[in-house]
Amino acid sequence: DGGITQSPKYLFRKEGQNVTLSCEQNLNHDAMYWYRQDPGQGLRLIYYSQIVNDFQKGDIAEGYSVSREKKESFPLTVTSAQKNPTAFYLCASSGRGSSYNEQFFGPGTRLTVL
Amino acid sequence: LAKTTQPISMDSYEGQEVNITCSHNNIATNDYITWYQQFPSQGPRFIIQGYKTKVTNEVASLFIPADRKSSTLSLPRVSLSDTAVYYCLVGDMHNQGGKLIFGQGTELSVKP
Repeated sequence: DGGITQSPKYLFRKEGQNVTLSCEQNLNHDAMYWYRQDPGQGLRLIYYSQIVNDFQKGDIAEGYSVSREKKESFPLTVTSAQKNPTAFYLCASSGRGSSYNEQFFGPGTRLTVL
Repeated sequence: LAKTTQPISMDSYEGQEVNITCSHNNIATNDYITWYQQFPSQGPRFIIQGYKTKVTNEVASLFIPADRKSSTLSLPRVSLSDTAVYYCLVGDMHNQGGKLIFGQGTELSVKP
């Protein structure tokens, strides 16, 4: 089955540590996205990538980094520079064959900083 | 990017029709209107998309007036499982990798 996966589902981090969240899709989508969601809030865009080896900052990129070395993969690193990293992180993809407004989301990773 | 405004919350009862209206006064000519549904601790799920007039699928209907400055998502005969947050977004569906702005959404609570 085609889909988008994120791992791990839950992640705990000590302050000062970097941590990488995984996102993989087998939908052959060109575009991929990372969002952050805080309790009771909407989604905020962190980074997005339109094509392999290219990505752009979203609205809240500070303290985060990404790479897009493969079409299927778009990992997100939460660095120690991110002051308040505890949140729910969602990865999504979209592409030809469907509308670019139709984003397919993964199950999310809940990150907690201890 | 066009900004959208929708009610923060709505209450309904099982079996009723629910209409959620979204305002998007600055919608651009190439923009489509898209609605998503999100359950707690899950990623949002695409519901429906339209450009003008009316669109219907197995889940919902979307009504868009001629001036396209607003839209209404209609959920027929809601059940408890329709309790979720509903997001209205506008964007160019042909724009590869274009940004979509998820606002705060409308939290729908369906009661027995």
